Amino acid sequence: NAGVTQTPKFRVLKTGQSMTLLCAQDMNHEYMYWYRQDPGMGLRLIHYSVGEGTTAKGEVPDGYNVSRLKKQNFLLGLESAAPSQTSVYFCASRAPTGVGGYTFGSGTRLTVV
Amino acid sequence: AQSVTQLGSHVSVSEGALVLLRCNYSSSVPPYLFWYVQYPNQGLQLLLKYTSAATLVKGINGFEAEFKKSETSFHLTKPSAHMSDAAEYFCAVSRTGLTGGGNKLTFGTGTQLKVEL
Repeated sequence: NAGVTQTPKFRVLKTGQSMTLLCAQDMNHEYMYWYRQDPGMGLRLIHYSVGEGTTAKGEVPDGYNVSRLKKQNFLLGLESAAPSQTSVYFCASRAPTGVGGYTFGSGTRLTVV
Repeated sequence: AQSVTQLGSHVSVSEGALVLLRCNYSSSVPPYLFWYVQYPNQGLQLLLKYTSAATLVKGINGFEAEFKKSETSFHLTKPSAHMSDAAEYFCAVSRTGLTGGGNKLTFGTGTQLKVEL
């Protein structure tokens, strides 16, 4: 089925470890986004990309890096994980035309101990 | 900058009762407004959107929302709740006039809807 696929679905990290979350979409969408979801805080934008090779900071970018080497993939990296980065991470994509209509992945639940 | 405020982090209704989830927005320019639903352990799914056409917007699963500029509100309603409506609901806003990827969604903090027998 077409959509947004996130891997892994679950991960436990130790403080200081690094990891990369992968987001892949097969809808040929230009725009991709990484959000984190925390209880009582809704979704907050970490980084986003408006096309292959481009990235930009969102509302809470500190501690994260991203790359968009291929149009279909948007990677979110944690160089040195901290307990404050325990969260559920969602990737979303959108076509340039139209309004709204984000397609979300099913999320990655990350725990940093 | 734009923002949305969702009143009530938890709402409980009886099956068959009216569902009313409240959302107020703040925006310096005319907004686009959205409601998303999130079922347990899933991503967000678009319920409906307001894009400056009709002020009463109908969405999926019998939900609708009315844009009221005078009240800066975009409340979500459903006449009769069903057990399957139990989920978390998010209101979101973006700016009009920008169609690029930089026109990002800003989400509210969410309302958990519980439907009781």
